[in-house]
Amino acid sequence: EVQLVESGGGLVKPGGSLRLSCAASGFTVSSHSMNWVRQAPGKGLEWVSSIDTSTRYIYYGDSMRGRFTISRDNAKNSLYLQINSLRAEDTAVYYCAREDQRWAYGMDVWGQGTTVTVSS
Amino acid sequence: QAGLTQPPSVSKGLRQTATLTCTGNSNNVGNQGAAWLQQYQGHPPKLLSYRNNNRPSGISERFSASRSGNTASLTITGLQPEDETDYYCSAWDSSLSAWVFGGGTKLTVL
Repeated sequence: EVQLVESGGGLVKPGGSLRLSCAASGFTVSSHSMNWVRQAPGKGLEWVSSIDTSTRYIYYGDSMRGRFTISRDNAKNSLYLQINSLRAEDTAVYYCAREDQRWAYGMDVWGQGTTVTVSS
Repeated sequence: QAGLTQPPSVSKGLRQTATLTCTGNSNNVGNQGAAWLQQYQGHPPKLLSYRNNNRPSGISERFSASRSGNTASLTITGLQPEDETDYYCSAWDSSLSAWVFGGGTKLTVL
């Protein structure tokens, strides 16, 4: 079964850091572009970052650039998101999502999400 | 980053047809097309349609997508109570080198 399982969320104080993980099963992460998408409470979906199959092309949303770092470990078949200098507005459910192998066709597999709460 | 534009809400009657729209520009929807996602509260999104308007395996034929210029549409026929939820469009923006999402449409089935 194709599956994504996120972990690493939690309650963090402003200015703190977190590393989110996304473990894939049923497919190889290095064969797909992979994404992080977040959703603040009661709000819509916001794209965070993507990494392509070669890891040569890494992109970030405007408000994420500089504080967020996406990475991948092929041996562990996992995706990661390092978030530094956390702010209250980073509070959200963070989803890991796989892209279809055809370029920009859409995100066809989603994890259940991990919740990040930034509060003092 | 500018997102795609979706109406916040749409209401239609049971067994009727609803058409949800998603408007972008020539760098995203107009060039790449849009994918559609369905999301129930407390659950992750689910892909309903690829950007080429084809459905993934297992998605009901009641869901169909299309595009005209910079506007993508999702048509849901024979509305059922379980169709009442949130729908999002997404597209790759070649100018921004970013995925952009619509703000979402809440569909109410009366």
